[in-house]
Amino acid sequence: GAGVSQSPSNKVTEKGKDVELRCDPISGHTALYWYRQSLGQGLEFLIYFQGNSAPDKSGLPSDRFSAERTGGSVSTLTIQRTQQEDSAVYLCASSFMGGAQETQYFGPGTRLLVL
Amino acid sequence: GIQVEQSPPDLILQEGANSTLRCNFSDSVNNLQWFHQNPWGQLINLFYIPSGTKQNGRLSATTVATERYSLLYISSSQTTDSGVYFCAVTSGYALNFGKGTSLLVTP
Repeated sequence: GAGVSQSPSNKVTEKGKDVELRCDPISGHTALYWYRQSLGQGLEFLIYFQGNSAPDKSGLPSDRFSAERTGGSVSTLTIQRTQQEDSAVYLCASSFMGGAQETQYFGPGTRLLVL
Repeated sequence: GIQVEQSPPDLILQEGANSTLRCNFSDSVNNLQWFHQNPWGQLINLFYIPSGTKQNGRLSATTVATERYSLLYISSSQTTDSGVYFCAVTSGYALNFGKGTSLLVTP
C-alpha cells in the first residue's frame, strides 16, 4: 500500500480482556516497529521486527504484551488481560531494510482505551 | 538510551511569524528525524537529517552532529502548522523521542 495502515483505529475494551492490534507496513519494507504514545510516558519503543523475527523485544512493558509477524508483512500486537495503564495510542512504523540510517514511516495509530 | 531534549515545550505564534525549534541529544547518533504530529495524531515525516542542512518549502532543518543538536526552522507560519513537533534519534533502530514542542499558530 501507499503507507502504513493500522486497525482498528479505535478500540474500547474492558479491563481483563485481550486485544489484538494490527499493522500493515509499506509494501517491500522488511523492518517493522511498534511504539506506544501515552500521556505519562511520551513516545516509547516496544518491539522491532526484521522480517519475521524480533531481535529486540526489550521495550515490551510486561509479559502480557506479545507480537508476531508473518510472511514478512502484517504484524499483530496482542495485549492479554488488559489494564487501565495500557490505555494509549499504539503506533506502528516500517522502514526499507531496518538499518539505523533509514527513515521510519508511521501509521495513523490505534487508540486503545481500557475501562 | 539516548536522551533527547526539545525546546521550547510550548510556542504560540501569530500567522506569518518565523520560529526555531531546538533538539539536543546526549550521544552520537546516525539517525535523526523530525516529525509533525497533526491534531488527528498522525506522525508526518518532515526530515531525515542526521547531519547537514535540508529545506522543504517553508521548513528547513540543520543538524550539527558534533555538537549534538538539531534545529527546525518554520518560516511564514500558517495555522495548519499547528500541532506537536517531535525530534527522534537513534544509534541503532529504536527511535528515542523527545517530549515535543507544541505549536499553536493563531490567525
